[in-house]
Amino acid sequence: EDKVVQSPLSLVVHEGDTVTLNCSYEVTNFRSLLWYKQEKKAPTFLFMLTSSGIEKKSGRLSSILDKKELFSILNITATQTGDSAIYLCAVDVTQGGSEKLVFGKGTKLTVNP
Amino acid sequence: AAGVIQSPRHLIKEKRETATLKCYPIPRHDTVYWYQQGPGQDPQFLISFYEKMQSDKGSIPDRFSAQQFSDYHSELNMSSLELGDSALYFCASSSYRDSRDEQYFGPGTRLTVT
Repeated sequence: EDKVVQSPLSLVVHEGDTVTLNCSYEVTNFRSLLWYKQEKKAPTFLFMLTSSGIEKKSGRLSSILDKKELFSILNITATQTGDSAIYLCAVDVTQGGSEKLVFGKGTKLTVNP
Repeated sequence: AAGVIQSPRHLIKEKRETATLKCYPIPRHDTVYWYQQGPGQDPQFLISFYEKMQSDKGSIPDRFSAQQFSDYHSELNMSSLELGDSALYFCASSSYRDSRDEQYFGPGTRLTVT
C-alpha cells in the first residue's frame, strides 16, 4: 500500500526561527513528490521534485528530495506569521495506467509573533 | 486506519456526457471538500459540505452540482462535460465537530473527457 508520512504533525515556532518539515514515502511507481501549503481551502502548490539531490528554492522556502532514502524535506528560514499553515506532501504515482496523488496528513505550522 | 475513498478512480467520458464522482469520508468526519486539479495546476477548491449542507462554494461551474448524504458520503455530478473538465478531482474530509482543520485527502478520480 502506498504511504506518505509527514513529521512532525504539528509545530509551533517564533518568528525568525528556521523550520524543517519532513516527508517520507513508500510507494510503487514513484513519479514525483509535491509540497503544498494549505491555509484555508485549496492547497497551494509549492514545489515539485523529481530528481534526487537538486534543491528547489523559492524565497525563504527550499526543498530537496532523496530518492534513495525515500524522503524529502521542506525548509523555511526566517519564518513569518504568514507562514502559518498546513504543509502537505504528496507523491504522484502511477497505478494501472492512471496517476494518483498520495498525500501525507500534513504538518501544521504555527508561527507566533 | 480507514482513509477517504473515492470512486471511480479513473473515468473516461465524451463531450456533453454526464459524470458522477463519489467520495466516502473518513468515518466520523462530517465535512467533505471537493477539489479540481488540472494538469500542472494547483488544486482548485470547488465546494464543501458540512452536515449535509453546503458550507462553502468555490470555482464550481454551474454545470456541476454536488450534495452530501445522510451517511456523509458526497457525490459530484457533472453535466455537459467539456474537454476542459479533464482533471484530477479529489475530495478531502475533516471533522468540524472535533475542531480539526486538517483535511484528509482521497486518492482522486482522474476524469478524461474526449
